Amino acid sequence: GAVVSQHPSWVICKSGTSVKIECRSLDFQATTMFWYRQFPKQSLMLMATSNEGSKATYEQGVEKDKFLINHASLTLSTLTVTSAHPEDSSFYICSAPRGLAGPGELFFGEGSRLTVL
Amino acid sequence: QQQVKQSPQSLIVQKGGISIINCAYENTAFDYFPWYQQFPGKGPALLIAIRPDVSEKKEGRFTISFNKSAKQFSLHIMDSQPGDSATYFCAASTDKLIFGTGTRLQVFP
Repeated sequence: GAVVSQHPSWVICKSGTSVKIECRSLDFQATTMFWYRQFPKQSLMLMATSNEGSKATYEQGVEKDKFLINHASLTLSTLTVTSAHPEDSSFYICSAPRGLAGPGELFFGEGSRLTVL
Repeated sequence: QQQVKQSPQSLIVQKGGISIINCAYENTAFDYFPWYQQFPGKGPALLIAIRPDVSEKKEGRFTISFNKSAKQFSLHIMDSQPGDSATYFCAASTDKLIFGTGTRLQVFP
């Protein structure tokens, strides 16, 4: 079964609204989670590293004020897309390291497809 | 430096054939090289991985070949099956995981 759960799996919203995506690790604790973004038929681009109890680390070019990440507990990280616009429409996928493995071995969630009208 | 180049972009193989996907990297700080498999509408799943001190790793029908001096590695899928049809991503990691551009594999019966 899934070990990383994402919710919602798909969401449609109007331009200018905010959308929150939840990522939960099931049956294990994750002090670090990674958020990726994937456009159709393209690769996964790392957006940010979510750190439990501290600020997220964003990749170059990712607007931290637009993509708010909160990692309030050892099993939950959230990504909020603020003031969403059509260009934010994408597939957002979270992941967490497997056990004591490093960032190379990740459990991925099922992804959340965001469509901004 | 952080890029991982992958080829081919797409691959069509007949059932029972060998699928080969190649990747190259520049950053010598990468210390882990996994391959992920992704089906449409799903998150990727770890398939097999290798560390740079090993030249080859085999798990069932899947084999990674690693050439540290050339900074290249490849995935071989033996006896390819229609169920293997998916997108395959090579990746490399240090403190974070960087994905290659992906290869869409189609295996026809």
